[in-house]
Amino acid sequence: NAGVTQTPKFQVLKTGQSMTLQCAQDMNHNSMYWYRQDPGMGLRLIYYSASEGTTDKGEVPNGYNVSRLNKREFSLRLESAAPSQTSVYFCASSGGAGYRGRGTEAFFGQGTRLTVV
Amino acid sequence: GEDVEQSLFLSVREGDSSVINCTYTDSSSTYLYWYKQEPGAGLQLLTYIFSNMDMKQDQRLTVLLNKKDKHLSLRIADTQTGDSAIYFCAESIDNYGQNFVFGPGTRLSVLP
Repeated sequence: NAGVTQTPKFQVLKTGQSMTLQCAQDMNHNSMYWYRQDPGMGLRLIYYSASEGTTDKGEVPNGYNVSRLNKREFSLRLESAAPSQTSVYFCASSGGAGYRGRGTEAFFGQGTRLTVV
Repeated sequence: GEDVEQSLFLSVREGDSSVINCTYTDSSSTYLYWYKQEPGAGLQLLTYIFSNMDMKQDQRLTVLLNKKDKHLSLRIADTQTGDSAIYFCAESIDNYGQNFVFGPGTRLSVLP
């Protein structure tokens, strides 16, 4: 049981390049999320998907797009990378609707460290 | 909007107790969580508490919730060097685990 798997683990991009961060979960969770983590700012939600086929903007969606390819996979795309997008990106999933107590929490991937130069 | 606040740093000596505090603003929070992040890793759930509870104990961890003051704390007894990490407080503001708000994280340093 791998949990939440993110690829790649590290990436360096030049300004203006594009890339897609991949995320997959094997826990049959309904909800998936993309966060970015910056020093002193905690986790900020970029986009989330409450269920297969739906996506919604979070706190900081500008410059990003997402695709919920199926129940397992949720990808994050940077169309034209900017230095301000240098960050650590985390994908997470949670059970979503119908879950109570243990099981409502978010499960996180190991993160992607992205540097835009 | 929703906001979760934590102090950014805490240092304690090995063997002492650590208390990490958190305040939140959304009174409709159903679950509150403590996550631990070790260097270079993702966040892992330490414990959680349902909003109708005042206290939860799990081995060395004690969570206290003051719903009136919207204050959550995590006490780690007999703190060890392996407890050095960043601790995040988070709230779930619906019943469906779809809306999480995280605090900025408290970096706990355990001194020998």
